[in-house]
Amino acid sequence: DAGVIQSPRHEVTEMGQEVTLRCKPISGHDYLFWYRQTMMRGLELLIYFNNNVPIDDSGMPEDRFSAKMPNASFSTLKIQPSEPRDSAVYFCASSRVWRGSSYEQYFGPGTRLTVT
Amino acid sequence: AQTVTQSQPEMSVQEAETVTLSCTYDTSESDYYLFWYKQPPSRQMILVIRQEAYKQQNATENRFSVNFQKAAKSFSLKISDSQLGDAAMYFCAYNRYNNDMRFGAGTRLTVKP
Repeated sequence: DAGVIQSPRHEVTEMGQEVTLRCKPISGHDYLFWYRQTMMRGLELLIYFNNNVPIDDSGMPEDRFSAKMPNASFSTLKIQPSEPRDSAVYFCASSRVWRGSSYEQYFGPGTRLTVT
Repeated sequence: AQTVTQSQPEMSVQEAETVTLSCTYDTSESDYYLFWYKQPPSRQMILVIRQEAYKQQNATENRFSVNFQKAAKSFSLKISDSQLGDAAMYFCAYNRYNNDMRFGAGTRLTVKP
C-alpha cells in the first residue's frame, strides 16, 4: 500500500506569495493531520480532520493559514500571504480508528518550505 | 494538558551495543497510547513501536523494546545490537483518543562504527 503522499517535497517562495501544500492520506484512513516542525518549537499540530470535517484548528497560527479536505483522498494547507517565519517542514499524517486500534499516525515525507 | 519530556537531547552508542532513550509524560488519564517515532536524515517520521497503557506487557519489535512504567509515567526505548541505520532523531509521543498526539522534543542518537 502507498503511504501518505505529500507534494511538493520542497518549496521555495518569496515573502507575500501564496503557498499550497498537498496531501493524499492512506486509503481507508478517516483522520488526517497537519503538523509543522521547526527547531525552535518541535512538532506542532496545526489542524486535524475526521471524515473530511475539520475538528480542531486551534493550532493554526493565524488567519494566513487555511486547510481544506474536499474529499477523503485529498487535503490542502494554504498560506497566504507567506512570511519568512513560516519556513518549516510541514507534515501530513493519517490514521484509521477502529475497535481496538492504537491510534498510531502514519506520516508523509514532509514538505520543506522556505520563504525568503 | 498532557506533556511529554525527553531529557536527553543527544545520545551516542557504539555499533552492536545497547542504548536506552528516556521519556516521561504527564497525564491524569488511565487509558492512552504511547509511541516511539524515528526520524532519520530523510526526515520521514517512522513508527518504531507502540504501547497501549492498559497492557502490562512491554512491547517489543525485533531489536526495539520498551520499558513501560505506568505508575512512574515512564516509557523508555531500548535499542539492542545498534546498527548504523539506527542513527536518527527519536521522538516519544502520547495519544489519547486520536485528537491530539503530543510529542517530546526528541533525542538525537548517534551510532559510532
